[in-house]
Amino acid sequence: DIQMTQSPSTLSASVGDRVTITCRASQSISDWLAWYQQRPGKAPKVLIYKASTLESGVPSRFSGSGSGTEFTLTITSLQPDDFATYYCHQYNTYPTFGQGTKVEIK
Amino acid sequence: QVQLVESGGGVVPPGRSLRLSCAASGFTFSGFGVHWVRQSPGKGLEWVAVIWYDADNKYYAESVKGRFTISRDNSKNTLYLQMNSLRVEDTAVYYCARAGQQLHYELWGQGTLVTVSS
Repeated sequence: DIQMTQSPSTLSASVGDRVTITCRASQSISDWLAWYQQRPGKAPKVLIYKASTLESGVPSRFSGSGSGTEFTLTITSLQPDDFATYYCHQYNTYPTFGQGTKVEIK
Repeated sequence: QVQLVESGGGVVPPGRSLRLSCAASGFTFSGFGVHWVRQSPGKGLEWVAVIWYDADNKYYAESVKGRFTISRDNSKNTLYLQMNSLRVEDTAVYYCARAGQQLHYELWGQGTLVTVSS
């Protein structure tokens, strides 16, 4: 299985901050990577797929980059709605997820 | 309304069986691959199984292979997960998720909770 290592596990930030979350794959996955946001008690929601393609309806403050084994999710100006947990997801082979990054209020 | 709605969760003792359903509406169900993904309480996401749009191909996580069976009935727009020989560690919220053209999970259900406990 391809292991996905996300960092940090927890991130404390304020409204308006620029936030970056990193995901590293144990082997190359090309650009078969997605990012999801999950609020407590809710299903995940896709933000980015194919490493850098913004899902329709997702605010442009979210962006993704990377290929191969290193990927990042960036939120350029954190909004109150963005305090949630974020997961990366590789689907190059049998799907696996990162362990999650909880973005909390500083 | 485009949606997936899971049902069938509940509390079962170890070793017993349960069948989950995922009802699709608002789109052509037979045109999409569909996955089951689970999340143990307070934990991260774990892929469980996938079935292709025509049911010709099915794949499973090692943790459930031989115990769980994924199936679909395109005439009823419904996905299933038959779970046998349940273990305490299978306790989780189970989500069904539709795979988009780029294979990411573009649509999720609300989840159904399975608790395996004596």
